[in-house]
Order: sequence, then C-alpha cells, then structure tokens
Amino acid sequence: AQSVAQPEDQVNVAEGNPLTVKCTYSVSGNPYLFWYVQYPNRGLQFLLKYITGDNLVKGSYGFEAEFNKSQTSFHLKKPSALVSDSALYFCAVRANSGYSTLTFGKGTMLLVSP
Amino acid sequence: SAVISQKPSRDICQRGTSLTIQCQVDSQVTMMFWYRQQPGQSLTLIATANQGSEATYESGFVIDKFPISRPNLTFSTLTVSNMSPEDSSIYLCSVEASWGGYNEQFFGPGTRLTVL
Repeated sequence: AQSVAQPEDQVNVAEGNPLTVKCTYSVSGNPYLFWYVQYPNRGLQFLLKYITGDNLVKGSYGFEAEFNKSQTSFHLKKPSALVSDSALYFCAVRANSGYSTLTFGKGTMLLVSP
Repeated sequence: SAVISQKPSRDICQRGTSLTIQCQVDSQVTMMFWYRQQPGQSLTLIATANQGSEATYESGFVIDKFPISRPNLTFSTLTVSNMSPEDSSIYLCSVEASWGGYNEQFFGPGTRLTVL
C-alpha cells in the first residue's frame, strides 16, 4: 500500500525567510508526487508535481520541490516566504503504473509571520 | 485544466436526514472522485465514479451510506444518507483531466457539511 508522511503538523517561518515543508512517501515502483495547497474555506489548489526528469520541480507562486529517490522524499521549498503563503499544504503520491489513486499526507499548516 | 463547481457550498443538517451534493465539471471527464476531509484530517477517498459503471468504493465506505450517481461525463452526485454528527466533514469532488500531456487531478471547492 502507498503512503505519505508529513512529519510536521505546523511550520512557522518569518516573512522573507526560506521555508521547507517535509514529505516522505512509500509506493510500489516509481512515484508520481504532488503538492497541493488549501486556503481557508477553499478547495485544493495544485502547486506542482514530479513525474519524471529533473529532480527539482518548479511550481506555482515561487514554490519548488526536490525529488530524492534514495531518501523517498519530496520536500516543498520556497526561498522567501510571504505572509500570503500561510495555508494548509498536502503532499500526495500515486504509482506511475497501473491503476492507482492519489494518497494524501495529513497536511502541514504553514504560518508565515510578518 | 478543469473547472469544478459544487453545490451546496455548505449546509447544516439534522441527524437522520440525507444530503445530496452535486459536482459539475466544465469539460467531459472519464474519472471522477469523491473525497472526505474530516476536521483536522487529510483527504480520504470515498469512491471513484466512472460514467456508465457502478462506483468503486474504498474500504470503509459503502454504497448504502454514500450512493453516487454519474449520469454523464460532466456531472456527478454524492448522497450522504442517514447522517450522524460523525459525517460532519468537507466533501470534495475531483476529476482526472488531461493537462500538459499528463492526466492530472483537479479539485472542486468542497461542500462543508455540519450535522447536528
């Protein structure tokens, strides 16, 4: 069975500082990896994905994530955090072969202080 | 991409009643999904709904409690039956659509359900 771990319930950073939201995964075979963001009272918005190719993936709003196969990780990063980045972030995985549905992590709340 | 709308956006219901949530997509899609997000929890897949076939339910979810309709390629409904306070959640519709050469999953805004 596939699974996603987001070890931090909450990440606090000051505006302008770099941020990292951690994600590790387990899946049979090669993974498709995703990050979604959920603002209060809103649905999920897609941020970025890793399918194949470069391990560093760039996405929306200046976010990026690095796929590390040996560590089975896909940490979300941003060089300079904004207060408006404060939201709930979900990492998700699916297998890249056969029929597979998305499995989500429990989410990490990012709080960026002014 | 795909734009998804859900109705209602929120509702407060009494125990023992049922609520039907509608999901409308702006393009034809084969695969639609229904998720539940309980307070403070992650998303849990309830079922996959493909047009022209019975919905496939995940472990822990049954058709009697969460009947799903998929009458065409742009629309689906999820009914939460005989509700209890434990059913208070956000229910999200999701579709798989082609975007940038890859089948990607898009999410609706969700329906926030409170059961008293």
